[in-house]
Amino acid sequence: DVKVTQSSRYLVKRTGEKVFLECVQDMDHENMFWYRQDPGLGLRLIYFSYDVKMKEKGDIPEGYSVSREKKERFSLILESASTNQTSMYLCASSLSGGAPDTQYFGPGTRLTVL
Amino acid sequence: AQTVTQSQPEMSVQEAETVTLSCTYDTSESDYYLFWYKQPPSRQMILVIRQEAYKQQNATENRFSVNFQKAAKSFSLKISDSQLGDAAMYFCAYTNSGYALNFGKGTSLLVTP
Repeated sequence: DVKVTQSSRYLVKRTGEKVFLECVQDMDHENMFWYRQDPGLGLRLIYFSYDVKMKEKGDIPEGYSVSREKKERFSLILESASTNQTSMYLCASSLSGGAPDTQYFGPGTRLTVL
Repeated sequence: AQTVTQSQPEMSVQEAETVTLSCTYDTSESDYYLFWYKQPPSRQMILVIRQEAYKQQNATENRFSVNFQKAAKSFSLKISDSQLGDAAMYFCAYTNSGYALNFGKGTSLLVTP
């Protein structure tokens, strides 16, 4: 069974804190993604990675960075959390190939920044 | 940039009835892929169905089928014999790159007994 796990389901942080969101997949997928989900806005791509140590900015990268040191793990970093980063964060992974493959999603991390 | 529009924020259907969720998209590409994802309350997002633009035949997965109109750039999802477990947020998504998906804002589907 395919599996994408995220380190926390719920997280509460204070403004200015450095926040790490971890995502791990066990499917040997090349591609990994971080999305942000807000009511009425759908999912918006923050960053994605198509290989170890490779990363590409998505639509809303400002205020975020990422790290992919191992194939199975993709981390999202909020260098200095702000209240407007309160949101649901979804990680996903997919195989790389000629045609776009199904993206498998984690359960999400609901982050509240106070 | 490609945009995906879901014009129905909320829809309601009775059990055993059929419902159609709308999706339109904007692209200048000829080769691309379209998806419907389902996000049940407090559960993980899963793929419902996918469609390759070069295929004229509409995709079908059990009770779920699509009406793909390439010229009109329309990609609607039909759910037949609706069940309580179909209640969820449904997202339409587009990609032409094999990487990131462009999602619509979602349609919340309520299924009533």
